[in-house]
Amino acid sequence: GAVVSQHPSRVICKSGTSVKIECRSLDFQATTMFWYRQFPKKSLMLMATSNEGSKATYEQGVEKDKFLINHASLTLSTLTVTSAHPEDSSFYICSVKAYSQNTGELFFGEGSRLTVL
Amino acid sequence: AQSVTQLDSQVPVFEEAPVELRCNYSSSVSVYLFWYVQYPNQGLQLLLKYLSGSTLVKGINGFEAEFNKSQTSFHLRKPSVHISDTAEYFCAVSDTGTASKLTFGTGTRLQVTL
Repeated sequence: GAVVSQHPSRVICKSGTSVKIECRSLDFQATTMFWYRQFPKKSLMLMATSNEGSKATYEQGVEKDKFLINHASLTLSTLTVTSAHPEDSSFYICSVKAYSQNTGELFFGEGSRLTVL
Repeated sequence: AQSVTQLDSQVPVFEEAPVELRCNYSSSVSVYLFWYVQYPNQGLQLLLKYLSGSTLVKGINGFEAEFNKSQTSFHLRKPSVHISDTAEYFCAVSDTGTASKLTFGTGTRLQVTL
C-alpha cells in the first residue's frame, strides 16, 4: 500500500485564490519532507525542504511567501499556494524521508495536479 | 553540487526487446544513485538504488543498473521489456552527506509497442 499520501490529487481554482495540498506519511514518522514541482515533460524541481517543528528551507528562486509550507507534525506537511496564478499550474509532488534513515531513499506521494484558471 | 544528464528524452522499443536508458552524472563528492519510474499522473516509484558495494544493482520489475565510476554513468537496462514498462524514467543522484536531497535528470520516456 501507499507509504505517502497526497491530497487532493487534482484541484482547479480561480486566479487569486489559495490552495492547500496535504502530504501525509502513513507508515512512519517523517522529520523531513520535500516538495517538488514538475513542469510538463520536465524533470522534478526541488522547491523546499520541510522540517517538522521548524521553518522550511527553500531552494533558490522559490518564493517563500508564495509557497507556504507547514510541517506541524511528524506525519503531515502542507503546501499552500497563495494567490495562485495560471503560471502556478503544475504537478506538485511531496516526498518523505523516513525517520532515522539516511540512505537517500525517499518515498513519493502520488502528486497533486493544480490548474489555475 | 551534482548534475544528472539523461541524453535520451524518448526511447521507443518493441515488446520483448532489450532496452538501455542512459544516465551520466557529475559530482565532486561520493554519490548515491537512483532510478525512479513515473506512470502518468502518479508520483515516483523507486526502481533501484546504488549506495555502495557491488556495482551491478538489481531492482524491481526485472530492471538492473550498473554503476561505472570511471565513466560516471549509471545506465538502466532490462533484457526484455513489456508493454506495461511504458513510463517516464528518472535518474537521480544525491551526495552521501545530504543523502536525501536528490537531483533529478530530465527523464526518459520509454515507449513500448507491439
